[in-house]
Amino acid sequence: SAVISQKPSRDICQRGTSLTIQCQVDSQVTMMFWYRQQPGQSLTLIATANQGSEATYESGFVIDKFPISRPNLTFSTLTVSNMSPEDSSIYLCSVDRGSLDTQYFGPGTRLTVL
Amino acid sequence: GENVEQHPSTLSVQEGDSAVIKCTYSDSASNYFPWYKQELGKGPQLIIDIRSNVGEKKDQRIAVTLNKTAKHFSLHITETQPEDSAVYFCAAAGNQFYFGTGTSLTVIP
Repeated sequence: SAVISQKPSRDICQRGTSLTIQCQVDSQVTMMFWYRQQPGQSLTLIATANQGSEATYESGFVIDKFPISRPNLTFSTLTVSNMSPEDSSIYLCSVDRGSLDTQYFGPGTRLTVL
Repeated sequence: GENVEQHPSTLSVQEGDSAVIKCTYSDSASNYFPWYKQELGKGPQLIIDIRSNVGEKKDQRIAVTLNKTAKHFSLHITETQPEDSAVYFCAAAGNQFYFGTGTSLTVIP
């Protein structure tokens, strides 16, 4: 398995501001993923982040709204930009250490936008 | 793309009884099927998984079965305990993970 931490664990933000979420893994991993989980819902993939390349975004998610950095094999950030109340969700990072390996999730960041 | 359906959405059982959660998928290329448990305020935790070359896998009180022909797989929890209460997600994976809609399990003491 992998030990994954996220910062912050929760935040309350004002409309129009931005928040950067950090994800740290205890070992080097090839692929990192960012998910959104709206209240009472399933997990929706936002983007896949590989070190050294641009993140790949899923349909409905764009880089201007959710810029991602992946500076090394143990760390990634997701920024939620120009927030609105509809962005209130849990944001989760996960890691995958190889092809068709399982994904391990961080504890999540609970975001509330007022 | 893949479509994963999960049933039931909510499930209540008496402590000691069994719980069964079922998922179906649509993409025959999916060949890896993990199950996650998510407790309140936490991220999903892998509890068991199965690959397409296996029909059944068991780990203590938890078992998973896979029917590739019918494209469905199930999670079985026996001798349920209150600490089993959580939301459970299935997933089907080929090149990407696709998650089910979740089952909220309540075990009544």
